[in-house]
Amino acid sequence: EAEVAQSPRYKITEKSQAVAFWCDPISGHATLYWYRQILGQGPELLVQFQDESVVDDSQLPKDRFSAERLKGVDSTLKIQPAELGDSAMYLCASSSEVTGSYNEQFFGPGTRLTVL
Amino acid sequence: GNSVTQMEGPVTLSEEAFLTINCTYTATGYPSLFWYVQYPGEGLQLLLKATKADDKGSNKGFEATYRKETTSFHLEKGSVQVSDSAVYFCALTGGNEKLTFGTGTRLTIIP
Repeated sequence: EAEVAQSPRYKITEKSQAVAFWCDPISGHATLYWYRQILGQGPELLVQFQDESVVDDSQLPKDRFSAERLKGVDSTLKIQPAELGDSAMYLCASSSEVTGSYNEQFFGPGTRLTVL
Repeated sequence: GNSVTQMEGPVTLSEEAFLTINCTYTATGYPSLFWYVQYPGEGLQLLLKATKADDKGSNKGFEATYRKETTSFHLEKGSVQVSDSAVYFCALTGGNEKLTFGTGTRLTIIP
């Protein structure tokens, strides 16, 4: 069964360091999402891609976060420099097509980031 | 903007008990409503959904009915099992595919 892959599963870093997370969506899925889930809260959308284009990054802290999906397949989310408040689970999801009706989002296992 | 208010946890029940997890929402227009489940160490999985008023979503013995008049989408199951232990998230979309989640409810079922 096709799954969304994420790596690493766990990352511990010190504040002011750079970190990067990788996501490989289900093959053929044009839409890719990055969410941040702070402990005890629900996931919040950081950025949404349609193929290689960003369609929503309104909640992405652009002074320190960046995301790319250069070939419209896998994606990287980067934080530089990391801050203590960035400790969270970072979830990637993908869906097949945005057609005006809801297309199920399939989630990866997430990357748990701890900033010391 | 859109928001989801979810019953706070944790919730602990005995096996075969009846489950209700409350969820209410605020949204403009006609949102689609969802319940996601997150088992330990795994990603979120779609449990059930409803796309219009009075629709009932169901899966794995869980049910939820889209109540527009009360802006609610409560999750129910008649007889829970230990394997249902997980975190449950209520969520909605306003048509632009962006999911807005509640804070999650941790459910623990004891034998």
